[in-house]
Amino acid sequence: EAGVAQSPRYKIIEKRQSVAFWCNPISGHATLYWYQQILGQGPKLLIQFQNNGVVDDSQLPKDRFSAERLKGVDSTLKIQPAKLEDSAVYLCASSVPGLEETQYFGPGTRLLVL
Amino acid sequence: LAKTTQPVSMDSYEGQEVNITCSHNNIATNDYITWYQQFPSQGPRFIIQGYKTKVTNEVASLFIPADRKSSTLSLPRVSLSDTAVYYCLVGDFNAGNMLTFGGGTRLMVKP
Repeated sequence: EAGVAQSPRYKIIEKRQSVAFWCNPISGHATLYWYQQILGQGPKLLIQFQNNGVVDDSQLPKDRFSAERLKGVDSTLKIQPAKLEDSAVYLCASSVPGLEETQYFGPGTRLLVL
Repeated sequence: LAKTTQPVSMDSYEGQEVNITCSHNNIATNDYITWYQQFPSQGPRFIIQGYKTKVTNEVASLFIPADRKSSTLSLPRVSLSDTAVYYCLVGDFNAGNMLTFGGGTRLMVKP
């Protein structure tokens, strides 16, 4: 079974630039999550989708972050404009509805904002 | 959500049994206890989940006392490849609680 795919794996940008991350969840997983993990900390949930609807985006900085999951499968997370403090690993995870405690994580995208 | 407290770091040697304890004094009746493992440069991986007493799978055992205010993740005979960060999470995931990760416990296994 293929796991959660993410791209790119690494990205370096300058502050005030924009960046986008892509995630393809495990086939059949209707629930998709984006997390931000700052070095030395645990992952922090940014947004949760079920199919193409948003379940929780309470911790998403909406002035600069946006995410979409148009067809209920792939998802993109965008940052515009980026700030230095956005340097982190962005993790995508997916799960089967009703089993939210068992999430399958992708390898993450490591973002460095200079 | 119940707050969890676990050691920041632990050291062990290959072949030893490692026990990582997590405190969750404010655990609610419907809360489950879930542990994740994260290797460097990878996303977290689900290890084990329990509600009470003892749960065992091919990776670890989870011991939960009757009062459920703490839990212990037990890793039998660790190897170098068990070096990772281990997160304890508590919540009623059936009620839509989100996974809330703390800082975790950094386990270093030495040869």
